[in-house]
Amino acid sequence: QVQLQESGPGLVKPSGTLSLTCAVSGGSISSSNWWNWVRQPPGKGLEWIGEIHHSGSTNYNPSLKSRVTISLDKSKNQFSLKLSSVTAADTAVYYCASSRSAAHDYWGQGTLVTVSS
Amino acid sequence: QSALTQPPSASGSPGQSVTISCTGTSSDIGGYNYVSWYQQHPGKVPKLMIYEVTKRPSGVPDRFSGSKSGNTASLTVSGLQPEDEADYYCSSYAGSNNPVVFGGGTKLTVL
Repeated sequence: QVQLQESGPGLVKPSGTLSLTCAVSGGSISSSNWWNWVRQPPGKGLEWIGEIHHSGSTNYNPSLKSRVTISLDKSKNQFSLKLSSVTAADTAVYYCASSRSAAHDYWGQGTLVTVSS
Repeated sequence: QSALTQPPSASGSPGQSVTISCTGTSSDIGGYNYVSWYQQHPGKVPKLMIYEVTKRPSGVPDRFSGSKSGNTASLTVSGLQPEDEADYYCSSYAGSNNPVVFGGGTKLTVL
């Protein structure tokens, strides 16, 4: 069974760049799955950020596209998220997840990232 | 504002059935059979309950069922149990330019 684990700073300064990594275990990142980032602001709903395939293809939420980069490191079986020019509105629990047919079947535990000076 | 519209709340008594709707457009729900539903208990990770409109992942009770008509998808929970009290989110594929859209979530209360 695939397991995912997010890691990265829990506090980012406004206008800075949020960087998170998701380590994948129990499966290969070179499988047919897509690898996603989803976030959830405190007390609010889920927001899809973007996804990457092992081929390197990416898709991003149009509302975040100008600030988001998702990349893959096959040698480490992990993928990463960078979100630039962050504001307090980017404060959220960030989840990594795998998906097939647009269904997110395996999720990481989530990591809270707070944007504050 | 979420791309898919869900009622903020729903409720039912133990043993009853409740249906949660999720309304989109012909560009998402109506155009593809890739609707998913997620259950999220407070402070917990979302759990996939339904995928491809009607399919249940292994381990999900058959009390949970999904359907779709036109631009609206539905999740029905039959034989409500106390542990079904949670937030439920729908999601749909919405084309190559914006592959994944979520609903705003529905808080299900078991009375």
